[in-house]
Amino acid sequence: GNSVTQMEGPVTLSEEAFLTINCTYTATGYPSLFWYVQYPGEGLQLLLKATKADDKGSNKGFEATYRKETTSFHLEKGSVQVSDSAVYFCALRERGGSNYKLTFGKGTLLTVNP
Amino acid sequence: GAVVSQHPSRVICKSGTSVKIECRSLDFQATTMFWYRQFPKQSLMLMATSNEGSKATYEQGVEKDKFLINHASLTLSTLTVTSAHPEDSSFYICSATDSNYGYTFGSGTRLTVV
Repeated sequence: GNSVTQMEGPVTLSEEAFLTINCTYTATGYPSLFWYVQYPGEGLQLLLKATKADDKGSNKGFEATYRKETTSFHLEKGSVQVSDSAVYFCALRERGGSNYKLTFGKGTLLTVNP
Repeated sequence: GAVVSQHPSRVICKSGTSVKIECRSLDFQATTMFWYRQFPKQSLMLMATSNEGSKATYEQGVEKDKFLINHASLTLSTLTVTSAHPEDSSFYICSATDSNYGYTFGSGTRLTVV
């Protein structure tokens, strides 16, 4: 079956530090890949996505590139801010199928200190 | 953009009572809705997938008689936790998708059973 493995947290950084959160996946086909962010007490918001190999998703300074050869979709940001503190989830959606459900990683808690 | 409204955001109920959580897509027709449960510091666990007008598909280990899901229209799905017990206390999140394959999440419901 499909699975997503995320870097274990928590991750604590100082403001303006470089961020990398690793994500690798296992899927039988060619999935679409997503990063979601969850702020305390809230639901999930889509941060970025990529639908095919070598695509780069980007949003709010975050980037992730779909690497088919390494089955990875690592999240990066060059300079984090305190407001980036949240839980980040990597997810995949298998192509085809009737329900299009997402498979999530376990989430990585990021805390950015001023 | 697409908006999903989830209500209530917080609810406290007594053991043995039932609680209904609503999930509404406000500006699009949700062909499929998903219900997740999230334990503290853990990932989202998919409970069930529902398509409008048909019975929900429950994930393995989820009691369908305890977690009743109704998806009566393209804009509304409800999750009813029946005969709630303290171990049902959790954060429940819904998600809706339309034919464009975008996923929009509700803001979640914190259920506390006392």
